[in-house]
Amino acid sequence: KAGVTQTPRYLIKTRGQQVTLSCSPISGHRSVSWYQQTPGQGLQFLFEYFSETQRNKGNFPGRFSGRQFSNSRSEMNVSTLELGDSALYLCASSLLQGSAGELFFGEGSRLTVL
Amino acid sequence: DQQVKQNSPSLSVQEGRISILNCDYTNSMFDYFLWYKKYPAEGPTFLISISSIKDKNEDGRFTVFLNKSAKHLSLHIVPSQPGDSAVYFCAASSPNTGNQFYFGTGTSLTVIP
Repeated sequence: KAGVTQTPRYLIKTRGQQVTLSCSPISGHRSVSWYQQTPGQGLQFLFEYFSETQRNKGNFPGRFSGRQFSNSRSEMNVSTLELGDSALYLCASSLLQGSAGELFFGEGSRLTVL
Repeated sequence: DQQVKQNSPSLSVQEGRISILNCDYTNSMFDYFLWYKKYPAEGPTFLISISSIKDKNEDGRFTVFLNKSAKHLSLHIVPSQPGDSAVYFCAASSPNTGNQFYFGTGTSLTVIP
């Protein structure tokens, strides 16, 4: 069974630009969550989508947005990039939408903002 | 506000010995806890979980202990193997928050052959 696929794996942007990251979950998984990992901060929850609806949102500014398509694939967008947005962005899919679910992570998209 | 804390950034253990990784949390509403392992350039992989209705869960060489009164959980790896060298994250969630987990900052475990 294919795992969670994230694209692109690496990208470099400059301040003020915007970026879109893509995530394809494991087949059959309808929940997709996004996390930001920065040194010293661990993984910070961005948002979760289930059946095309945003179910939860973390404490991030409105520049961070996302969506989920009918095939469960998800995208996240960051507009007006800032230097502090440089991070590893991890997508995780889950079969269940609830606190008994196990998250399956992709390898991440490493964003560098110059 | 770090609701889940892993106060030891690193840990070194001899092969064959026990590794104990610790995690503390502040939110008494957390009812489900996970441990993940992460190798460089890979995404985190699930290790073991525990619900707040239990105080122990075991899976092979991995055991997680939960002390709700102390708001503390620990992961025991026995015996430790060199392939266990990785960064370990604990994570917690509260009811009705879907898959919104709060992660610790990780502990880097090195198992010395």
